[in-house]
Amino acid sequence: DARVTQTPRHKVTEMGQEVTMRCQPILGHNTVFWYRQTMMQGLELLAYFRNRAPLDDSGMPKDRFSAEMPDATLATLKIQPSEPRDSAVYFCASGLPGIRSGNTIYFGEGSWLTVV
Amino acid sequence: AQSVTQLGSHVSVSEGALVLLRCNYSSSVPPYLFWYVQYPNQGLQLLLKYTSAATLVKGINGFEAEFKKSETSFHLTKPSAHMSDAAEYFCAVSANFGNEKLTFGTGTRLTIIP
Repeated sequence: DARVTQTPRHKVTEMGQEVTMRCQPILGHNTVFWYRQTMMQGLELLAYFRNRAPLDDSGMPKDRFSAEMPDATLATLKIQPSEPRDSAVYFCASGLPGIRSGNTIYFGEGSWLTVV
Repeated sequence: AQSVTQLGSHVSVSEGALVLLRCNYSSSVPPYLFWYVQYPNQGLQLLLKYTSAATLVKGINGFEAEFKKSETSFHLTKPSAHMSDAAEYFCAVSANFGNEKLTFGTGTRLTIIP
């Protein structure tokens, strides 16, 4: 059963620490998305990649957030330094856009981040 | 640009009653439309999608949605609610070509009353 895998599932860290979240997209998917979910803002798109190249990261605070795809099987989202307002659930999603898939994307279980 | 509006952040229905969750969209190009469900402490799961084929779309767990261009709506329905339907439901929109990123609504929390 193909699925998007995210690690860690839960993370509690102190303000100022670096946080790295990892995502393994579904094999064969060429598009990867990072979303953030909070009570106040709902689901926000932070960044997305196609064929490992960043297409849009306009939703991501550039001063502390960075997203990369070192290879086709790994996407990372890094926060340095972390702040309490970064506490949220971070979702990775992957897809293979086009007429056949209808732009469907599949979500991981999320990384639940708490910054204290 | 695309956006969706979900009317009603909380909806409560009795078990066995009709479920109706409302979604209106705005899109400058023909849209693809989606409904996702999120159970507590889990990720989002695709319920169904509209991709310009049939306007009445059937999904998993007995849900369906109808695309109405004249009303710019894509409401989600289920004839008979089950306790297991309690979850948060998100409507989303993307362009039908090129830009495939999804824009989500604010979600509707569905509560089922025994």
